[in-house]
Amino acid sequence: SQQGEEDPQALSIQEGENATMNCSYKTSINNLQWYRQNSGRGLVHLILIRSNEREKHSGRLRVTLDTSKKSSSLLITASRAADTASYFCATDEGGLVGTASKLTFGTGTRLQVTL
Amino acid sequence: EAGVAQSPRYKIIEKRQSVAFWCNPISGHATLYWYQQILGQGPKLLIQFQNNGVVDDSQLPKDRFSAERLKGVDSTLKIQPAKLEDSAVYLCASSSGRGATDTQYFGPGTRLTVL
Repeated sequence: SQQGEEDPQALSIQEGENATMNCSYKTSINNLQWYRQNSGRGLVHLILIRSNEREKHSGRLRVTLDTSKKSSSLLITASRAADTASYFCATDEGGLVGTASKLTFGTGTRLQVTL
Repeated sequence: EAGVAQSPRYKIIEKRQSVAFWCNPISGHATLYWYQQILGQGPKLLIQFQNNGVVDDSQLPKDRFSAERLKGVDSTLKIQPAKLEDSAVYLCASSSGRGATDTQYFGPGTRLTVL
């Protein structure tokens, strides 16, 4: 079953506006990651925030994490038409010692940025 | 650096037929993942390999799905026999496998349609 649930399911904004999407999850996590998926470039990693971090920035992206509420948000500032894509949060609950992470993806938010 | 390669990109088969997908991960990546993404949903992990050993296959329908990673490099995922509900995009991803903050790099996927 899906771990994360994104909200809203779909979002339409104009270029230059900010876009905020939220993710809620159910269990304890090691970290939470955000991915973008569009038809041109497939699924691409955007940003990772560890469970002991509260906020992280990368270019026009800002991610927050509230482990007490089991929620995260992704803010895209000054959006562009090229930001049109589906955005997924993915939680890493931690794998076996010595092995790589195992991600559980949410249902995604479809973002449409119009000119 | 070459990305994750997958083939074929598209496949159409009839139910009860068999199909195989191939993945070549990024050179040197120890961990390889296969995901199933049904339209409108986030990717769901089917199986995770660390080198040529299986780390997690808890969500792999083993009565019809099988996967192998011979020599710890390329991998194949097979479905036999296919059902209508197997129509999805099958994504392969790889990561270095060195820790909990690994980034997974995804291939372009194989879109399977079962008629």
